[in-house]
Amino acid sequence: GAVVSQHPSWVICKSGTSVKIECRSLDFQATTMFWYRQFPKQSLMLMATSNEGSKATYEQGVEKDKFLINHASLTLSTLTVTSAHPEDSSFYICSASIAGAETQYFGPGTRLLVL
Amino acid sequence: ELKVEQNPLFLSMQEGKNYTIYCNYSTTSDRLYWYRQDPGKSLESLFVLLSNGAVKQEGRLMASLDTKARLSTLHITAAVHDLSATYFCAVDMSGGGADGLTFGKGTHLIIQP
Repeated sequence: GAVVSQHPSWVICKSGTSVKIECRSLDFQATTMFWYRQFPKQSLMLMATSNEGSKATYEQGVEKDKFLINHASLTLSTLTVTSAHPEDSSFYICSASIAGAETQYFGPGTRLLVL
Repeated sequence: ELKVEQNPLFLSMQEGKNYTIYCNYSTTSDRLYWYRQDPGKSLESLFVLLSNGAVKQEGRLMASLDTKARLSTLHITAAVHDLSATYFCAVDMSGGGADGLTFGKGTHLIIQP
């Protein structure tokens, strides 16, 4: 149980285009979903927290207009990287949690390469 | 601002040896997590430590939590090559799953035959 999927697993796009990444909780309803970013050989950094039906809360230094998060249902959150640039190339990992649960469940990640 | 510090950041050790990875954090929290990450992969959950004095063991790995010292340890016993990976500790500020996690920088572990 507690499986989180992400789609796509990897994407290559041209600079200036937008990319949408989906995060789904497959067998549970997630109260909250989180988006993390990991640059090569670095740690994970929390980008934003989203709750179903409400606006995402972004961490300091994360541009909300560039990284659009939509949490349309209890099983789906999307991250759209708008007007992507090479510096946005990274490994994006989502996680999902249930209120009061002991842990978050991490997705397999999406590797983004912007050319 | 919550800070999570791991050490060492890089560790090369021989099979059969024991070693400990340390994780210090800067504020009170009752929840600490250990994860493993293999190259190119996402995180694999190893341990969830929920209270002071918590100790959990799985195979050759054992994790403990001292909330008063704000310190967690991940101990490796008789290391084998398959344990080579990057290990992260992470702290949950809220204690209720409502906040994201703050991660340490990770410990890159290489176990040589």
